[in-house]
Amino acid sequence: QVQLVQSGSELKRPGASIKVSCKASGYRFAGFAINWVRQAPGQGLEWMGWINTSTGKPTYAQGFTGRFVFSLDTSLGTAYLQISRLRAEDTAVYYCARDTQWLDRGLDFWGQGTLVGVSS
Amino acid sequence: DIVMTQSPDSLAVSLGERATIYCKSSQTVLLSSNNKNYLAWYQQKPGQPPKLLIYWASTRESGVPDRFSGSGSGTDFTLTISSLQAEDVATYYCQQHYRTPQTFGQGTKVAIK
Repeated sequence: QVQLVQSGSELKRPGASIKVSCKASGYRFAGFAINWVRQAPGQGLEWMGWINTSTGKPTYAQGFTGRFVFSLDTSLGTAYLQISRLRAEDTAVYYCARDTQWLDRGLDFWGQGTLVGVSS
Repeated sequence: DIVMTQSPDSLAVSLGERATIYCKSSQTVLLSSNNKNYLAWYQQKPGQPPKLLIYWASTRESGVPDRFSGSGSGTDFTLTISSLQAEDVATYYCQQHYRTPQTFGQGTKVAIK
């Protein structure tokens, strides 16, 4: 069955970096895009962008450029979200979610979420 | 960016009664070349990731109970739960994936009256 399994929760100091992983299984990894979605505590869903798992090309939403990097290890079937120079306002649950490479069907499978806390 | 506005922000419905959630986009999400609306609905329960309920505005995802239905076209959409069950207590989000950045509505919290 299709699964996206994310790395565990982390607490970081401001200014540190973090790399969240999203391991896919149960389907052909290169056949579907991986999207990243943020949810701040008690807030709604915010689309951060996506990465084409066939070409490796990332696309970032405004507000997620510069400190945010999407990457892949296709040999492991894993997508990564790296955030550098962490700030308190980066505290949130980060989700990976699958869509077609044309982003035309909605996010049909989601990871369980990774809680990232940033505090001094 | 396309702004998605849901209404109401919250609603309370008796068990077995109908719940209706509205979603309005600031621009059309209808692709005229294939007549598909790039509008999805998600259900999120506390502590869980969102779950896809409806895509293309009215196509139910596999395994979703048929009490959930979606309708609308262009800029105005509706999610209807025909007979509310206890397990439907959740926050519901609409999302447009017609154009990047994809955008979500602010969410509608559904409770039991």
